[in-house]
Amino acid sequence: SAVISQKPSRDICQRGTSLTIQCQVDSQVTMMFWYRQQPGQSLTLIATANQGSEATYESGFVIDKFPISRPNLTFSTLTVSNMSPEDSSIYLCSVGLGQGATGELFFGEGSRLTVL
Amino acid sequence: GENVEQHPSTLSVQEGDSAVIKCTYSDSASNYFPWYKQELGKRPQLIIDIRSNVGEKKDQRIAVTLNKTAKHFSLHITETQPEDSAVYFCAATGDTGFQKLVFGTGTRLLVSP
Repeated sequence: SAVISQKPSRDICQRGTSLTIQCQVDSQVTMMFWYRQQPGQSLTLIATANQGSEATYESGFVIDKFPISRPNLTFSTLTVSNMSPEDSSIYLCSVGLGQGATGELFFGEGSRLTVL
Repeated sequence: GENVEQHPSTLSVQEGDSAVIKCTYSDSASNYFPWYKQELGKRPQLIIDIRSNVGEKKDQRIAVTLNKTAKHFSLHITETQPEDSAVYFCAATGDTGFQKLVFGTGTRLLVSP
């Protein structure tokens, strides 16, 4: 497995502000993803963070709202822009380990955001 | 794209009983099916997975079965213990490979002593 560190672990934010979440992995990984988990709900994929190119967003998520950076194979950031109370969620960084058919997905501890 | 349904949403059992959680998926091309356990306030943890070339896999008290024809897979926990209480999520591959997962809605398992 890998050690996946997320910062901040939690934050309380004001409506209209933006917050950047950092994800640091202790080894180089090819695949990094960002998921959202709304209170009491399942996990929804926001985007795939691609190293050296623009992230690939899932339906319902756009770059202007959730800009993502991936400057190298161990680090990524997710920004939640112009926040509203509906953005209150846990945001989880995840990494895929192994090669293709043997790959497994592991999660960071998550960043719990509360928007007032 | 892939759609994963999970049942039941909540499951209460007595310690020592067995628990079964079922999932169905829509994309016949999906070929990797992991199960995650999420304790309150914690990250999801991979507990077992199965690939489409296998019908069943066991790991101590946990087993997973896969029926590709019917497009469903199940998690079986035997001799349940209070520490098994958590939310369990099934998942399946999406349309671009093993690690882009689509998750089920989750099952809250409560094991009473």
